[in-house]
Amino acid sequence: NAGVTQTPKFRILKIGQSMTLQCTQDMNHNYMYWYRQDPGMGLKLIYYSVGAGITDKGEVPNGYNVSRSTTEDFPLRLELAAPSQTSVYFCASSSADRGVEQFFGPGTRLTVL
Amino acid sequence: AQSVTQPDIHITVSEGASLELRCNYSYGATPYLFWYVQSPGQGLQLLLKYFSGDTLVQGIKGFEAEFKRSQSSFNLRKPSVHWSDAAEYFCAVAPWGAGSYQLTFGKGTKLSVIP
Repeated sequence: NAGVTQTPKFRILKIGQSMTLQCTQDMNHNYMYWYRQDPGMGLKLIYYSVGAGITDKGEVPNGYNVSRSTTEDFPLRLELAAPSQTSVYFCASSSADRGVEQFFGPGTRLTVL
Repeated sequence: AQSVTQPDIHITVSEGASLELRCNYSYGATPYLFWYVQSPGQGLQLLLKYFSGDTLVQGIKGFEAEFKRSQSSFNLRKPSVHWSDAAEYFCAVAPWGAGSYQLTFGKGTKLSVIP
């Protein structure tokens, strides 16, 4: 199993551009998550999904959109990129059991200039 | 809402020395508790977790953590640190019950190891 994979690893965007961060998991997990990590701030939850077709906002959803058309994929869309969205983005997944481990992808480092 | 405090931003220890990283949480009941480790440029890896039962939990890489309900703490320990333990460590909590999959992370403690 590859676990959770994310593409791209690095990306530089100009202000106002859009992009999609890809996330795929091969563990048949129902739950998937997107976090952003800023230096000294830990991880903040952007969006999460409890299954295909179901998504909900986390702590910091503004400026982002998600969709979940399949169990495996959970892309994160940035519309009109802003410098405040410069961050490292992590995708994670977990099974449907309560409180179990979240498995993290390697991250995408995004810079908006 | 729950919150997590990791009081130490950066800790430096000598190789072979013991280690304790502090974590305090704020929550109305006993939550699920986790410690994750992040090596430079990598994603997060679970070290250990506490759901219920024995308050001393063992994890990977020789780490352990003790849940103390009276102090709302879940401190991470290792008796002898190796140079490869240099990384950033995150404590996280999830509420008990429905919606317990939503983790709240502390800000992290960066560990440096002197050879």
